[in-house]
Amino acid sequence: NAGVTQTPKFQVLKTGQSMTLQCAQDMNHEYMSWYRQDPGMGLRLIHYSVGAGITDQGEVPNGYNVSRSTTEDFPLRLLSAAPSQTSVYFCASSLQQNQPQHFGDGTRLSIL
Amino acid sequence: GESVGLHLPTLSVQEGDNSIINCAYSNSASDYFIWYKQESGKGPQFIIDIRSNMDKRQGQRVTVLLNKTVKHLSLQIAATQPGDSAVYFCAENRNSGAGSYQLTFGKGTKLSVIP
Repeated sequence: NAGVTQTPKFQVLKTGQSMTLQCAQDMNHEYMSWYRQDPGMGLRLIHYSVGAGITDQGEVPNGYNVSRSTTEDFPLRLLSAAPSQTSVYFCASSLQQNQPQHFGDGTRLSIL
Repeated sequence: GESVGLHLPTLSVQEGDNSIINCAYSNSASDYFIWYKQESGKGPQFIIDIRSNMDKRQGQRVTVLLNKTVKHLSLQIAATQPGDSAVYFCAENRNSGAGSYQLTFGKGTKLSVIP
């Protein structure tokens, strides 16, 4: 098992550009989620999905879209990047939503 | 607002000593709590969890204590080793309605182990 795989590991964007952060898991987990981690803020939930075809908003969803067409993949889209979206993004998955989540190693995103 | 927080942002301990990391939560409806360890440049790694129907749970060298009366959670690490140096986060899994849960993280405590 590779676990949770995030790509790319690093990315620099200009304001206004769009981008998709990829997340894939091979553990057949139903629940997947995206967090952002900023200094002194801990991790904050952006969007989550309890299964294929189902997504919902977390604490900080504005500026981000998600889709869950398969159990394995949960991409995060930035339609028009803003400097405030500079952060480290983590994807996580778990068998069910009230169970421990497994995290990827993150995507470090800088918006200039 | 309701939040999960930590009493101390940094903690330094001597190698071989026991470490105690504390966490306060304010949402009495939370029924599941998790401790994560995060090393530099990596994602959070699951350490141990506890559900609200328990007061204590033990793992390998780690113990989590839950005091629902004062809404307090702690992580105890026995015989702390240099490899334990990391940032530790507590998180509460909060029922956000209609059977949906959201994980809310504290800001983290940085543990430094002195050889």
